[in-house]
Amino acid sequence: DAKTTQPPSMDCAEGRAANLPCNHSTISGNEYVYWYRQIHSQGPQYIIHGLKNNETNEMASLIITEDRKSSTLILPHATLRDTAVYYCIVRVFQETSGSRLTFGEGTQLTVNP
Amino acid sequence: EPEVTQTPSHQVTQMGQEVILRCVPISNHLYFYWYRQILGQKVEFLVSFYNNEISEKSEIFDDQFSVERPDGSNFTLKIRSTKLEDSAMYFCASSVSLTGRGTQYFGPGTRLLVL
Repeated sequence: DAKTTQPPSMDCAEGRAANLPCNHSTISGNEYVYWYRQIHSQGPQYIIHGLKNNETNEMASLIITEDRKSSTLILPHATLRDTAVYYCIVRVFQETSGSRLTFGEGTQLTVNP
Repeated sequence: EPEVTQTPSHQVTQMGQEVILRCVPISNHLYFYWYRQILGQKVEFLVSFYNNEISEKSEIFDDQFSVERPDGSNFTLKIRSTKLEDSAMYFCASSVSLTGRGTQYFGPGTRLLVL
C-alpha cells in the first residue's frame, strides 16, 4: 500500500470548515483513499473513501487531485465533537489480499470554541 | 444503524492467563478483523478472517493468538498465555468484502490490562 503523509496537528474554529490534507504521491491506479477518525481511544470511525472522483456524504467531502497524489478531507462545519485524530489510509484494490488497514500517525484535529 | 459490538469493555488479567475477547460483527458482513492499539501508539493490524479461516495475519499474530467464529454471530480472539506487553485496546472490525470497496467498521474496543 502507498505511504501517506499528514500534518501532525491542526486547529479549527467551531463552525468553520476543517480542511485536512493528505499526501500519497506513490499511490497506484488500483488504490483507494480512505479516511477514518479516532476520538480518544474509541474504535476508529469510517468517514469516507474514494478512488478518483470527489466524494461527499453526510459527514464530509473528499477532494482528490487529478493526479491522485494528494487529497483533502473537508468537514464543512466543524463542531467540538469533531476533535479527533484523522487518518488518511491508502488501500490496494485486490480480491485476495490487501485486506489490512495500515494506520499512520494521523492528524490531531482540535476544534476550538 | 448496525454496529460492531465487543465484550467485555475492560478486562484485567494476570500474566500467563488465557483471555478471550468477543466480538459480534455486523450481521451481513463476511470478513472479520482484529486490530490492537498499545497506549499512545498506532492502531496495528493483527489478523483477518474469512470463510472460517485466516486470510491474512501480521507478524504480531504469533502462536499465542488464535481466532475463531464459534457460531453464526460471534468472532473471538484468544490470547493463550498473556504477557505484560499484550496490554492494549483490542478492536474488532468487519466488512462486507475484502476489496478496497469493503469498508471496515470498527467496534468500540476491549481494554486489556495484563498485570
